[in-house]
Formats: sequence, structure tokens, C-alpha cells
Amino acid sequence: AQKVTQAQTEISVVEKEDVTLDCVYETRDTTYYLFWYKQPPSGELVFLIRRNSFDEQNEISGRYSWNFQKSTSSFNFTITASQVVDSAVYFCALSPTETGGTSYGKLTFGQGTILTVHP
Amino acid sequence: SQTIHQWPATLVQPVGSPLSLECTVEGTSNPNLYWYRQAAGRGLQLLFYSVGIGQISSEVPQNLSASRPQDRQFILSSKKLLLSDSGFYLCAWSTDVNQPQHFGDGTRLSIL
Repeated sequence: AQKVTQAQTEISVVEKEDVTLDCVYETRDTTYYLFWYKQPPSGELVFLIRRNSFDEQNEISGRYSWNFQKSTSSFNFTITASQVVDSAVYFCALSPTETGGTSYGKLTFGQGTILTVHP
Repeated sequence: SQTIHQWPATLVQPVGSPLSLECTVEGTSNPNLYWYRQAAGRGLQLLFYSVGIGQISSEVPQNLSASRPQDRQFILSSKKLLLSDSGFYLCAWSTDVNQPQHFGDGTRLSIL
């Protein structure tokens, strides 16, 4: 069975602070994908990043960076110099890579971390 | 470019009434389609997925059903709503099972 744990239910920071959102996962699959999604107050889920379990290189995109450590089953997300517009619920998710047969790329989501950035 | 549409955005229904939520995708063909439910303050739970017309798989037993009458149309239904069906329903699509899923704006369903 797959499981994603986001232990931080809520985080509150002041604008320009750096913030790290933690994600720990469990899976028996040897290959898998990890994702981060953002859910702003309007409700839609916005895709941020997908990481293949083969690729442990950290990634940076503007103020966003992701630290994937397979040894600790973690895929943490850092926002540098946070802004009020970063306020949202952030979800970490996991799916197996499919190698054939009937498959559907099922996403297992964590419970989400509510990030509030104050001006 | 591809877009996904969900409607209605908000719905208030009495217990025991029927339900029909619609989701359509534009700009792609033969997408994988998904219905998720998000209860208040919780993560997302996959309800149904479809890899083609008429092909529906259910993840959890429940009061809801799904149908895919056309390639890019996915419908979530119920004959009789329960209080526990309240929540935020999200439709998603992907081009392939290994590709990211992209979500619609969601429907907030309140059961009275």
C-alpha cells in the first residue's frame, strides 16, 4: 500500500521568510513518481512538479526548490522569500510508474499543508 | 492547449435528491479521466477513473457512479444523495498514466 504523510498541518510565516514543507512517503514499488500540487483559496489544484524515483537530483524553479532523498523517503518543498500569493494548501502525492497492462496512474495524496504568508 | 471544464461550480442539494456533475476536456483525445473528492480539511480521495469510453473503474464503494458517454466527457452521478456526499469534487485528466494529472476548478457540493 502507498502512503504519503505531510506532518505539518499548518504553517504560518511572514513575507520574505523561507519555508519548507515536508513530505514523507511509503511505497513498495521500486519505481514511482512524486508530485507537488498547490491549491489556492479558489480551489483548483495546480501542478507544480513531478519527480521520477530514478532522479534524485534536486530541482530549482525560481523561488521553488525540491529536495528528494530516497534514503529517507522524503520529498521536501522549499519556498524562498515567500510572498502572500504563496498562501495555499500544498499537497504531496505519489503514484507508481506503470510498465504495462491496465493501469491508471493512481495518485495517493497527503493530507496537505496549509501555508499562510502574512504581509 | 488543453483545458478542462467542470460544472456547476457550486451546488446545494437536499438529501435524497439525484446528482449529476459534468466534466469535459478540450484539446486532447482519449485522455485518462478521474473523479476525486476532497472532504473539508482533508486530502483528495480518488473515486473513479476511466481510460476510455465506457470504461469506468471504481476505487471505493459508495453512493456515487460515473459514466463516460463520450471520449472527453466524464459524469459523476447519484440517484439519492446522502449527507456524507458533501464535499469538493474535482475532475482531472492526463494524457498518459505516467503524466501529471491536471485538475478542473471543482464543484462544491453541499447536502442539506
